[in-house]
Amino acid sequence: DAKTTQPPSMDCAEGRAANLPCNHSTISGNEYVYWYRQIHSQGPQYIIHGLKNNETNEMASLIITEDRKSSTLILPHATLRDTAVYYCIAGGRETSYDKVIFGPGTSLSVIP
Amino acid sequence: KAGVTQTPRYLIKTRGQQVTLSCSPISGHRSVSWYQQTPGQGLQFLFEYFSETQRNKGNFPGRFSGRQFSNSRSEMNVSTLELGDSALYLCASRVDRGPSYNEQFFGPGTRLTVL
Repeated sequence: DAKTTQPPSMDCAEGRAANLPCNHSTISGNEYVYWYRQIHSQGPQYIIHGLKNNETNEMASLIITEDRKSSTLILPHATLRDTAVYYCIAGGRETSYDKVIFGPGTSLSVIP
Repeated sequence: KAGVTQTPRYLIKTRGQQVTLSCSPISGHRSVSWYQQTPGQGLQFLFEYFSETQRNKGNFPGRFSGRQFSNSRSEMNVSTLELGDSALYLCASRVDRGPSYNEQFFGPGTRLTVL
């Protein structure tokens, strides 16, 4: 299962788009990219996932490069409540979570 | 629909004691997974239960065990507690089929402190 790498921290001005990158150069063809976030002292929260096509939901958009080696999570209008650690993970549709690695993630700070 | 609930939220124990943590999944979810989160090691998978059977297990010693009941509620037990077991223990549930198969829903966690 693919390992992902993310920048340790990022800042974003409130109201601006937050673009969080993730590298997953070893991802295999049937592995999805999942994004979770963890607000301080809470359990992680599922955000979005995708395989090849770009995806959008009420929380965020996910842009996956054509070669699938990297992706970007976009929070279109960041608010202070989006301050959290964001985890990018890769795993197959049927992958059990013992093989999914949650790395240190990206700590996003939204600044007023 | 109620989310994943975990009890207790906070717990203080001493070395050598044992502890039992409880997790109630979202209604209709039959898979329950447990994670340990520490500042040094991050989020680490402990085990997953499905239909009362352990389906997957992470790389933790045998002091860490769990079980799942017929109503999908799950418990995890840690025996002979060590200082290094101090952590946030998270429970997550998910559906067992369909397009949302791999979307996990996490509870708020139990903060265990071992003195």
